[in-house]
Amino acid sequence: SQELEQSPQSLIVQEGKNLTINCTSSKTLYGLYWYKQKYGEGLIFLMMLQKGGEEKSHEKITAKLDEKKQQSSLHITASQPSHAGIYLCGAPTGGGNKLTFGTGTQLKVEL
Amino acid sequence: DVKVTQSSRYLVKRTGEKVFLECVQDMDHENMFWYRQDPGLGLRLIYFSYDVKMKEKGDIPEGYSVSREKKERFSLILESASTNQTSMYLCASSTRDRGNQPQHFGDGTRLSIL
Repeated sequence: SQELEQSPQSLIVQEGKNLTINCTSSKTLYGLYWYKQKYGEGLIFLMMLQKGGEEKSHEKITAKLDEKKQQSSLHITASQPSHAGIYLCGAPTGGGNKLTFGTGTQLKVEL
Repeated sequence: DVKVTQSSRYLVKRTGEKVFLECVQDMDHENMFWYRQDPGLGLRLIYFSYDVKMKEKGDIPEGYSVSREKKERFSLILESASTNQTSMYLCASSTRDRGNQPQHFGDGTRLSIL
């Protein structure tokens, strides 16, 4: 079965700093989703990547899927308190649009 | 925008009770999912459904059942609640259109079994 490992598990940054979160798969990725979750709430869809080398941006968040399609990174530029939360990567597995998720990266942004 | 609504944000029940968690989506999605989320374990799939009256077991179906009588509604049932079912439960839906499609999530139900 496919496993997704996220690093780091948690991260504390000062407001204005850049940061990167990684998601590494045990198998080739045929799609990769990034979600954000605020504490105690549901997941909010951020971006989907499908092709090796693909890069997408939304506001100050950029996600990239490497050429070999086994790792994705999420980069936040000039972090703000609103970026705080848990970031999860998910990948299609087993058909039927099912997803396997990483265990998440908790981000705190200090003023 | 897709709207996935879970009936309760917080729920407290007693051991042995039959518990119903309801989920409704308004985008005519074919696929619906139930997950539980626990610290250190991430999201784990309990059951999913790809059509009315169709259901398939996920990774951790033991102690749970589901019902999908209408396309927009997917219910999770804890037949006899136990303390190890205390968790955050998340419902999601997605379209079955061609290619990869993201799942859209509800706000979650934090269930405590006493």
